[in-house]
Amino acid sequence: QVQLQESGPGLVKPSETLSLTCSVSGDSVSSGTYYWGWIRQPPGKGLEWIAYIHYSGSTKSNPSLKSRVTISLDTSKNQFSLKLSSVTAADTAVYYCARVVFSGNYPDYFDYWGQGTLVTVSS
Amino acid sequence: DIQMTQSPSTLSASVGDRVTVTCRASQSISTWLAWYQQKPGKAPKLLISKASSLESGVPSRFSGSGSGTEFTLTISSLQPDDFATYYCQHYKDYLLTFGGGTKVEIK
Repeated sequence: QVQLQESGPGLVKPSETLSLTCSVSGDSVSSGTYYWGWIRQPPGKGLEWIAYIHYSGSTKSNPSLKSRVTISLDTSKNQFSLKLSSVTAADTAVYYCARVVFSGNYPDYFDYWGQGTLVTVSS
Repeated sequence: DIQMTQSPSTLSASVGDRVTVTCRASQSISTWLAWYQQKPGKAPKLLISKASSLESGVPSRFSGSGSGTEFTLTISSLQPDDFATYYCQHYKDYLLTFGGGTKVEIK
């Protein structure tokens, strides 16, 4: 059974960098079969895809966030991470990590999700 | 960018009702569409991929259809466990986008 678990600070100050880690069990981030991604959901609002990464090093980010997003893999720990710089109150959200299924060479959908972690941006 | 418009944003229904949620794309996305169910305080759960492929373990009362620009999620007979928010999600040009969501409420 594939499981994902987010971890990181629940409170980040404005202008600082949000850092989250997703620990994966039941699958290997280095298997190359899947991509690994982040999604967020502001309180009371809808879902927004942030970025995804593949073992090969291939990454893609939402153009609306691209300049502030860094996504990386740590194969030794079977984890992947998200950094979002220069945060504002608008970045307050529940952040989810998820496994991305590719169909052919294209990202398709998210099949396994972490439980989510609330990150609040406030001084 | 492709825009995904879900309708209605809220739907009031009773147990046993047939419920339909629609997702419209601003341009053709073939069958690159997935549907998720989200309950309060929980992560979304994948229901359907590739517009109509039901995920393992998902009750058969859920079905998806459509291609191109118009897609539907149908619940044939609404059950108490189905009251939730439903999201469509598509792929285009290596980007992933979610619809705005449809909340299915108890009438």
